Amino acid sequence: SQKIEQNSEALNIQEGKTATLTCNYTNYSPAYLQWYRQDPGRGPVFLLLIRENEKEKRKERLKVTFDTTLKQSLFHITASQPADSATYLCALENSNSGYALNFGKGTSLLVTP
Amino acid sequence: EAGVTQFPSHSVIEKGQTVTLRCDPISGHDNLYWYRRVMGKEIKFLLHFVKESKQDESGMPNNRFLAERTGGTYSTLKVQPAELEDSGVYFCASSQAVRDTGELFFGEGSRLTVL
Repeated sequence: SQKIEQNSEALNIQEGKTATLTCNYTNYSPAYLQWYRQDPGRGPVFLLLIRENEKEKRKERLKVTFDTTLKQSLFHITASQPADSATYLCALENSNSGYALNFGKGTSLLVTP
Repeated sequence: EAGVTQFPSHSVIEKGQTVTLRCDPISGHDNLYWYRRVMGKEIKFLLHFVKESKQDESGMPNNRFLAERTGGTYSTLKVQPAELEDSGVYFCASSQAVRDTGELFFGEGSRLTVL
């Protein structure tokens, strides 16, 4: 069956450090992968999309890598700030089901001053 | 530009009652999705509308759930009769194009508590 796995444990880091979150998947052949941010009590907010032919993508302090051989994406936040504290979700299209997005459970990030 | 709006933000009902959740997508977005997150689990896909047509409803749990999108604008998701396991947060999302960027714009969610 299809699976999207993200670190289940919360990630605690100090302000200014780089946070690295992992997304592994099985039984997907995605054309792209997306990352979303979700704050408590809010809906997910789109951050970045990376296509299968892209190794890396950057947006301000965010960097995403996509390794279709390893079936893994890494999400990096450099120079992290307390405002970056949130849950980060990895999402893949489900080509078996009309290309709707499937989400991982998310990784909670806490950045402390 | 207004985002995706959902109503109500929170609903508490008793088992066996009916609840109707509403979603207003971003104007001009043909694609509308319903998702649900139950406690401790991932956000799970329920169904996808393209305009007023159901493109994919493979995620709907059972026939107690009925989604409609009249005229291709707002959508409703009715749960009748509600069961305890239906509790969770129901998210609506919309997008302009399928598989172009695939970026979804989410509402804030409707939290449903079934007692």
